[in-house]
Amino acid sequence: GAVVSQHPSWVICKSGTSVKIECRSLDFQATTMFWYRQFPKQSLMLMATSNEGSKATYEQGVEKDKFLINHASLTLSTLTVTSAHPEDSSFYICSARIIGTTLSYEQYFGPGTRLTVT
Amino acid sequence: AQSVTQLDSHVSVSEGTPVLLRCNYSSSYSPSLFWYVQHPNKGLQLLLKYTSAATLVKGINGFEAEFKKSETSFHLTKPSAHMSDAAEYFCVVGYEAGTALIFGKGTTLSVSS
Repeated sequence: GAVVSQHPSWVICKSGTSVKIECRSLDFQATTMFWYRQFPKQSLMLMATSNEGSKATYEQGVEKDKFLINHASLTLSTLTVTSAHPEDSSFYICSARIIGTTLSYEQYFGPGTRLTVT
Repeated sequence: AQSVTQLDSHVSVSEGTPVLLRCNYSSSYSPSLFWYVQHPNKGLQLLLKYTSAATLVKGINGFEAEFKKSETSFHLTKPSAHMSDAAEYFCVVGYEAGTALIFGKGTTLSVSS
């Protein structure tokens, strides 16, 4: 149980184009999903917190107009990297928190999406 | 600000020898603590978690960790390293229910034959 999927697992796009990454909770409902990015050989950096039906909360230094987050349902959140540039190349990971659980600290992570912008 | 510190960026051991990966967190009245492992180009896998139950936590693949409140530590250990244990390990802390987890910078574990 508690499986989170991401699609695509990897994507290569040209500079200036936009890319959408999906994060789905497959067997549970998630009121909150989190988006992280990870540069090579570095730790995960929280980008934003996504709550179902409301606007995402972005961390300081993350451009909300560049990284568009939509959490339209309890099982799906999307991250769109708009006008991508090579410096946006990174590993993007989402996580989801189970609704209504006493283990409210616990999050389940997706397998990640490798984005390469050429 | 709440934080978590992994004391070693890189640990090298020989196969069959014990593993110790150190983690300290900033003090909080009730943190939840996790260890995750990440193999190259892969997502995160939960090794074990502490959520205010037993202080000695057993996880998958023979790993365990002990929560020591007096030392604000949550070190990860394994009695005998295996080649497949070579990966990146993250100590992660949750300070407030429902908020984002805080990640340590990671420790790279290398295992030689």
